Amino acid sequence: GENVEQHPSTLSVQEGDSAVIKCTYSDSASNYFPWYKQELGKRPQLIIDIRSNVGEKKDQRIAVTLNKTAKHFSLHITETQPEDSAVYFCAASILNGNDMRFGAGTRLTVKP
Amino acid sequence: DVKVTQSSRYLVKRTGEKVFLECVQDMDHENMFWYRQDPGLGLRLIYFSYDVKMKEKGDIPEGYSVSREKKERFSLILESASTNQTSMYLCASSQGGGGNTIYFGEGSWLTVV
Repeated sequence: GENVEQHPSTLSVQEGDSAVIKCTYSDSASNYFPWYKQELGKRPQLIIDIRSNVGEKKDQRIAVTLNKTAKHFSLHITETQPEDSAVYFCAASILNGNDMRFGAGTRLTVKP
Repeated sequence: DVKVTQSSRYLVKRTGEKVFLECVQDMDHENMFWYRQDPGLGLRLIYFSYDVKMKEKGDIPEGYSVSREKKERFSLILESASTNQTSMYLCASSQGGGGNTIYFGEGSWLTVV
């Protein structure tokens, strides 16, 4: 089955700096890559996703990039704010499949 | 708003007890999932179901079983709870097929003593 690896496990940045989280996946058939954010004590929620027919997608301060050849994808957060502090999970699945595999998570801390 | 409701937020059970974790979703989703969340290990898939009475093993099914008798309800069963099953359990649902947003419940904290 699919195996998703995520790095780093923890990341600390100063407010206003950028943050980058990277994931790799093993199954070349995977073609849907969402990112979830989990604030302390809350449920994970989708923040952005990308499908394999595009290489990059942006939503305000958040962007995702995908390199299908290398089987890796990344989350980029620019102009970080304290409210970006959370655990971020990447995931991968096949578009016509039903299961989803997640990475181990990255704890992002944004220092004011 | 999609709602995924886990009936028990905090449970304490004894070793060897049978434990039921219940999950209900109100969006007529075909897919339902049970994940386990442990520090440093992320979200690990225990079981998922893509239809009533259908179930598929995830990555860590040992020691667990599931039941989906109705479309809106997906239950996780620990036949004989052990201390290494102390964890946060997250139920989730999504529309059928892939590439759809997964909606999570608030989680059930289970402690086995």
